[in-house]
Order: sequence, then structure tokens, then C-alpha cells
Amino acid sequence: DGGITQSPKYLFRKEGQNVTLSCEQNLNHDAMYWYRQDPGQGLRLIYYSQIVNDFQKGDIAEGYSVSREKKESFPLTVTSAQKNPTAFYLCASSTRTGSGNQPQHFGDGTRLSIL
Amino acid sequence: KQEVTQIPAALSVPEGENLVLNCSFTDSAIYNLQWFRQDPGKGLTSLLLIQSSQREQTSGRLNASLDKSSGRSTLYIAASQPGDSATYLCAAPETSGSRLTFGEGTQLTVNP
Repeated sequence: DGGITQSPKYLFRKEGQNVTLSCEQNLNHDAMYWYRQDPGQGLRLIYYSQIVNDFQKGDIAEGYSVSREKKESFPLTVTSAQKNPTAFYLCASSTRTGSGNQPQHFGDGTRLSIL
Repeated sequence: KQEVTQIPAALSVPEGENLVLNCSFTDSAIYNLQWFRQDPGKGLTSLLLIQSSQREQTSGRLNASLDKSSGRSTLYIAASQPGDSATYLCAAPETSGSRLTFGEGTQLTVNP
């Protein structure tokens, strides 16, 4: 079945450590996105990519980095510079059309906590 | 910059009741608007996508409307069931259409 796979489901980070969250899609979508969700809040955009080898910062990119070397994959690294990384991280993808990138399909998320 | 607001933040209703969730957005130059459902600890599931040329979109017991001129969308749920309990989020695109802005969601509880 086509879809988006995020791994791991749970991740723990030690002080000063970088961690990488995986996101893979087999929907043949050009655009991919990373969001952060804090308890009781909506989603905030971290980074997005509309095409391979290109990506843009979202609203809260500080302390995060991404790469887009393959169409299917958009990994997110939470660096040690991100001082409050505990959150639920969601990856999404969508097609690109002349009237915008819709609809967005989501993975099941990765919950990151600090040890 | 697009801003999206959802009212109410939480709603509790008895089973069988019809209900309306509200979403407002500030930039009305949108191509479409999307409604999602999120179960606890899970990702988002797309429910309905309304194109700017449409006024309504229906899927089963769900009906979403879009009024661009007033910057509002509503999600109507008919004959609510306990299985409808979840958080419902609406999302409107930025003018470029390349990214979405999400509301904070309405947490719905349907009591048996």
C-alpha cells in the first residue's frame, strides 16, 4: 500500500546529542514536510522541500536540519542546538499542482523525549 | 501571513447529536482548505479537501463548507458517534500554495 513511514515511533535524546528522524514515502510525491506538535497545540512547520536537492525553512527551523537527496526520503536531524526538542514530530507529503500543494498525507509520527 | 483559528477548542456532546466545528482564516486568497482528524498519539488523517471553486464537500456523515469572502469554513458532523471522538484540525494554504497553516484544533468527545 502507498503511504508515509516514519521511524522510529519513539526516540530518546541525550544531552548534546544529535538524532535523526526518518521519513519515507512511496506515493511519488514531490513535496515533503516536517512539522512539530506540542501538547494541545496545532502543527508548526519546521522545514519543507518541493523537489529533490532543494528545501526551505519553515517557521521554527532553528536547531534542526534536513536533506532531500532522494524523492522518497526526507530525514530530519534534531541537533544539540535545539534546546527544547521534546515534542511529537510529523512528516507529510503532497503532490505539486498549479493550484498549490494538496492534499497533504501524514505519517504516524515520532515522539522525541530528552533523557 | 496566513492565520487560522478554530472554535471551540473543545466540545463534548451526547451520541446522536449533529454538530458544527468552525474554522476561520485571514488570507482569503486560498486555492482550497483541508480538514483533518487526529486520534491521540497518531498522525493526521485527511477528511475533506474543498477547492476554492466549491462551496461544499461531503463524505458520509461529514460535510464541509467554504466561504472565502468571509474567511470561514465549517465542518458539520451528522448523527455523531463515540468513534468520532478525536481532534479535528483545519488547514489553509499560504498564498503561494506551497505550505499549510494549521489551526490548533477542536477536541471532540462524543459520549455514549
